[in-house]
Amino acid sequence: QQQVKQSPQSLIVQKGGISIINCAYENTAFDYFPWYQQFPGKGPALLIAIRPDVSEKKEGRFTISFNKSAKQFSLHIMDSQPGDSATYFCAARPRLTSGTYKYIFGTGTRLKVLA
Amino acid sequence: NAGVTQTPKFQVLKTGQSMTLQCAQDMNHNSMYWYRQDPGMGLRLIYYSASEGTTDKGEVPNGYNVSRLNKREFSLRLESAAPSQTSVYFCASRELAGGRNIFYNEQFFGPGTRLTVL
Repeated sequence: QQQVKQSPQSLIVQKGGISIINCAYENTAFDYFPWYQQFPGKGPALLIAIRPDVSEKKEGRFTISFNKSAKQFSLHIMDSQPGDSATYFCAARPRLTSGTYKYIFGTGTRLKVLA
Repeated sequence: NAGVTQTPKFQVLKTGQSMTLQCAQDMNHNSMYWYRQDPGMGLRLIYYSASEGTTDKGEVPNGYNVSRLNKREFSLRLESAAPSQTSVYFCASRELAGGRNIFYNEQFFGPGTRLTVL
């Protein structure tokens, strides 16, 4: 069974601090690594994503760092704000062999940013 | 555009009852998915449909059936509900590989259905 391991399970950060969420995978046949943000009562929404041929992707305050040799990738939220309080899921997508893409999700990290 | 819509939003069933969760998308996407979300388990794929007329099992298909009624609609059926199926169910859709946004193929999720089986 392909797995994506995510940590920590929960995280509390002060406003203005840096939030870091880590994920590790086992299958080298993944070709796309998205992060999703989910607010209570809502469905997940794509936040940022990276391909394995790039070591870092930055969009505003959100950065993905990717370490291909270690099979790890992480989400960094700079200058964390109370509005960032949500559950974050990492995911990995296997290379397409037939049909359509299927995504493997991490178990989620509940982030709370204190005002 | 409404995106991905799901009905109902909430449902309580008794063990053994059946029900169908409805999902529709208006983005002309080919692929549709059903996930369940449980605390500490993340999102797990139940069934998916690569295109109209095709469906395949995901990671946790037991106890569920699906129908891809047309390109817009993908329903999930519980024939005989069990307490273990208490969960939040999400439907999602995306373009088939090779669409105009090949790299940033984004899944769009619906708002979810919260199901409790007593």
